[in-house]
Amino acid sequence: GAGVSQSPRYKVAKRGQDVALRCDPISGHVSLFWYQQALGQGPEFLTYFQNEAQLDKSGLPSDRFFAERPEGSVSTLKIQRTQQEDSAVYLCASRPRSGRNFNTEAFFGQGTRLTVV
Amino acid sequence: AQRVTQPEKLLSVFKGAPVELKCNYSYSGSPELFWYVQYSRQRLQLLLRHISRESIKGFTADLNKGETSFHLKKPFAQEEDSAMYYCALSVRIRGQGGSEKLVFGKGMKLTVNP
Repeated sequence: GAGVSQSPRYKVAKRGQDVALRCDPISGHVSLFWYQQALGQGPEFLTYFQNEAQLDKSGLPSDRFFAERPEGSVSTLKIQRTQQEDSAVYLCASRPRSGRNFNTEAFFGQGTRLTVV
Repeated sequence: AQRVTQPEKLLSVFKGAPVELKCNYSYSGSPELFWYVQYSRQRLQLLLRHISRESIKGFTADLNKGETSFHLKKPFAQEEDSAMYYCALSVRIRGQGGSEKLVFGKGMKLTVNP
């Protein structure tokens, strides 16, 4: 694909429902990030993968949040027992390689807007 | 702790006016800073990075370590510059590979009126 693809674009969930958000990074990109962006705020880091390894999950707000990237390409962010405070845009980003070189541009997806009612 | 502050949330100017979007950071390491832009109904995209010392779409930003600032400037704003602008700081992630994450400011909405 031409860029990072996320699905669904919009998701409405009832409180208590489980959701799964998908990210298709640019092919061959080693690094993958998930961010949460609440209304009127900047993106907040959730978790980072280097290939299939989840190297940092310090930003996940609770144990209801779980992310995986089993084959080092597609990633899924799962939220269990959704709460209203989970309502946000969830952004995925990928970049070609890891290492102290963020001068390599990170490419963002369009995001998934999650609304918990 | 690392932090990026964008003190103003909104800026509205007329076409042709100069603009300055302020960004201050807090980081104990060697800072690497970026400006990202999000046009209406588009995805977040990189505008410029300090290490490149480049001008993109007429925008420039200079890293001032003494003032811990990375303000974005453009001498003559255009209507197509209307967008959300985010300042971001690259910080090292714990763990293997020494990779990094971006810490974002809260963003500023720039509106350029005709």
